[in-house]
This record gives sequence, C-alpha cells and structure tokens, in this order.
Amino acid sequence: NAGVMQNPRHLVRRRGQEARLRCSPMKGHSHVYWYRQLPEEGLKFMVYLQKENIIDESGMPKERFSAEFPKEGPSILRIQQVVRGDSAAYFCASSPLDDVGTDTQYFGPGTRLTVL
Amino acid sequence: KNQVEQSPQSLIILEGKNCTLQCNYTVSPFSNLRWYKQDTGRGPVSLTIMTFSENTKSNGRYTATLDADTKQSSLHITASQLSDSASYICVVSLTGTASKLTFGTGTRLQVTL
Repeated sequence: NAGVMQNPRHLVRRRGQEARLRCSPMKGHSHVYWYRQLPEEGLKFMVYLQKENIIDESGMPKERFSAEFPKEGPSILRIQQVVRGDSAAYFCASSPLDDVGTDTQYFGPGTRLTVL
Repeated sequence: KNQVEQSPQSLIILEGKNCTLQCNYTVSPFSNLRWYKQDTGRGPVSLTIMTFSENTKSNGRYTATLDADTKQSSLHITASQLSDSASYICVVSLTGTASKLTFGTGTRLQVTL
C-alpha cells in the first residue's frame, strides 16, 4: 500500500505564475488535508476536503488559493499569481475517516515551492 | 504567542543516551495530543496519540506522557540511535474541530557518535 504521494517534490515559479500541487491520498482514504510550513515555523492547517467537497477552508487565504478533490484523480492545491511569500513546503495528509478521536493523519513528503 | 510551545529548540546527544523533549500547550478545549517525527525533507510521521484521559503511551523506544491538568506533555527517547536525528513535533487537536491540528515548531534532535 503506497503512502501519500505528492508531486512535484520541488517546484520553482516566477512571481505572477500559477503553481499547481498534487496529492494522491493513501488507498482507501477519502479525507485530505493541506498544510503549509514556512521556514523555521510549524505546519499550519489550510484546508480539509472530502471527495468533491470542501469541508473546512478556514486556514486558506481567501485570494489566489483554491483546492479541490475530485471524484477521480488527486487533490489539487492551486496558487494563482504566486508571490515570494508563498515560498514554503506544502504538505498533504490523508485519513480513512473524519479525523475525530485518535484517527491518524498520514503525511506525504511535501512539495517545496520556491518563488523567484 | 504559540498555542503549542516546545523545548528545547534543539538538542545534541550522544548515541545510546536518553533524552526528554517537552511540550506545553494552551489550546482549549483539548481533544488529543500527538507527537510526530519529521526527518529533514520529509513529511511528519506519527509516533503517539493520546486523549485527555491517557497519561502515557509508548511506541518502541518512544514514550509520551500527558498531564492534562498542567497542559504539559513530554516525549522520552530511550537508548538513542543515529536514526533518531530529526525534528519532533508536538501537535494538539481541538475538541469539535477535529480536522484542525495545532503544530508546535518542533525540537531538532541530533544524535552523534
């Protein structure tokens, strides 16, 4: 059973371009979470999705950022018109159930975005 | 001020020695507390999860303790190995918002020969 997969692992964009980050959850997992980790800081929650639904996007900036988890295919985190401050590691996690109680989230290896 | 504070920020120990990492939190109401290990350039990996009613949880050479009254947790690593070199992150989950975890900034542990 492959773990959570993210691609690309490294992404370089110039200011104003779009960044598209992909996350394939573990087999059988229908819940996906996106986190951002700035240098020297802890991970920060961005968005929680189930198949075809955004459950909680309270941690995601209102502008330029969007996320989806279609019925088929990976979850996508899209950042439009990137700025230097978007440079960070973006982690995806998945869980088989709603993360209540002690359900574990399994993290992917992350995508490191660098904005020039 | 972070709602999850960890200490020390970094730590260097010799292989074979024990160490204890600390976590203080102010997150409330509390649901559960997790410790994760994050190797450089990788995603976090879960070590332990404890609810407010649990005092201790072990996973091999890792033992986590929780005092919900004082809002403190510790992670004890026994007989350290070079492969234990990583960041150890304390993560607290709020009651009723199970989808959101509050992460500490981690303790960077380096195990040397």
